[in-house]
Amino acid sequence: ETGVTQSPTHLIKTRGQQVTLRCSSQSGHNTVSWYQQALGQGPQFIFQYYREEENGRGNFPPRFSGLQFPNYSSELNVNALELDDSALYLCASSQSPWTSGNNEQFFGPGTRLTVL
Amino acid sequence: ILNVEQSPQSLHVQEGDSTNFTCSFPSSNFYALHWYRWETAKSPEALFVMTLNGDEKKKGRISATLNTKEGYSYLYIKGSQPEDSATYLCASPEYNQGGKLIFGQGTELSVKP
Repeated sequence: ETGVTQSPTHLIKTRGQQVTLRCSSQSGHNTVSWYQQALGQGPQFIFQYYREEENGRGNFPPRFSGLQFPNYSSELNVNALELDDSALYLCASSQSPWTSGNNEQFFGPGTRLTVL
Repeated sequence: ILNVEQSPQSLHVQEGDSTNFTCSFPSSNFYALHWYRWETAKSPEALFVMTLNGDEKKKGRISATLNTKEGYSYLYIKGSQPEDSATYLCASPEYNQGGKLIFGQGTELSVKP
């Protein structure tokens, strides 16, 4: 069973640029959630995708957008990058959008984004 | 908005010591409590998902308890080993937004040989 993978591992961009991060979900999982972890903080929920539709969003501006594909892999797009977007971006997949009981979220290793 | 807090922020112990740390969350509208172990440069690894008041879960030397009435969970590590060094995160789903996990800031554990 393949776990959650993310690409790229590291990325350096400059202010104003756009970036796309990718996530492949674990086999059998139809839900992908994205989180941002800034230095010294816990992961912050960005949004979740379930069956190719956005299914909940955290407190992030519209320049953070996403996609989910028929194979349940997902992309996170960030436009007009700002210095504060520098962070570790984690994706997590799960068997359903509901995080209760034994429905765990399985995380990838993250993409480290640096904005200069 | 749900607020999840962890303490202490960091912990340094000697090999063989037993240790514990705390996750606090609002006791109203409780849904579930997740514990993760996160080693540097690796993926966060799910340790436990706890849902019922009084729940106790165990995996090897690591165990966790849950008190939903007072809004806390404890994670215990018995006989810490250097390989236990990691950041331990707890998270709870936002009420009525089941997929949105709210994380604490984590407890960074360092175990010295």
